[in-house]
Amino acid sequence: GAVVSQHPSRVICKSGTSVKIECRSLDFQATTMFWYRQFPKQSLMLMATSNEGSKATYEQGVEKDKFLINHASLTLSTLTVTSAHPEDSSFYICSARDFLAGPSSTDTQYFGPGTRLTVL
Amino acid sequence: SQQGEEDPQALSIQEGENATMNCSYKTSINNLQWYRQNSGRGLVHLILIRSNEREKHSGRLRVTLDTSKKSSSLLITASRAADTASYFCATDERSGGGADGLTFGKGTHLIIQP
Repeated sequence: GAVVSQHPSRVICKSGTSVKIECRSLDFQATTMFWYRQFPKQSLMLMATSNEGSKATYEQGVEKDKFLINHASLTLSTLTVTSAHPEDSSFYICSARDFLAGPSSTDTQYFGPGTRLTVL
Repeated sequence: SQQGEEDPQALSIQEGENATMNCSYKTSINNLQWYRQNSGRGLVHLILIRSNEREKHSGRLRVTLDTSKKSSSLLITASRAADTASYFCATDERSGGGADGLTFGKGTHLIIQP
């Protein structure tokens, strides 16, 4: 299947600093990528939809000025957690949408391995 | 409450036994997917079932979908220790078209005892 990478895999930062997380689709182009957050022992919650060449769409309750998303190319989306605080510590997972049109169209999301953010 | 609720939340069985997990959702969907997540890792896509399908198989996995009850089940046969993980169902019920992100259930934590 298609491969999505995330970098870094884990990061520890001090409170007040900003952290950038990269999500790359390695062998396909993705016009749409998604960012999810997962707290310990909980499920994934969608944070935002990242569209190449346009502004991201944020879910209710997610601060767009705090979680900056940039989808500069068809294979890269970045999530920047600005002025991180301990409550932002979480597992951040991206996914990239691989849509193939045609008679047997498929629309699959491939997930990255996640980035564990710890804010001290 | 969150859509895509799984039950049980935790399941512990002996190796070799079958494991069944259930998922319910609340609105109409185009498809439902099951994912596996090992502790602290990313998601592994297991299987997708479309709304016009009732049952699907993939290796030791069997998924059913009952759109009238808005529920799905995942059956893992002949379980192995390596199947120990959390299993999530996810639906596209946000938009009905797949353009938006997935809605995940709370997950079932499966433990296979050797």
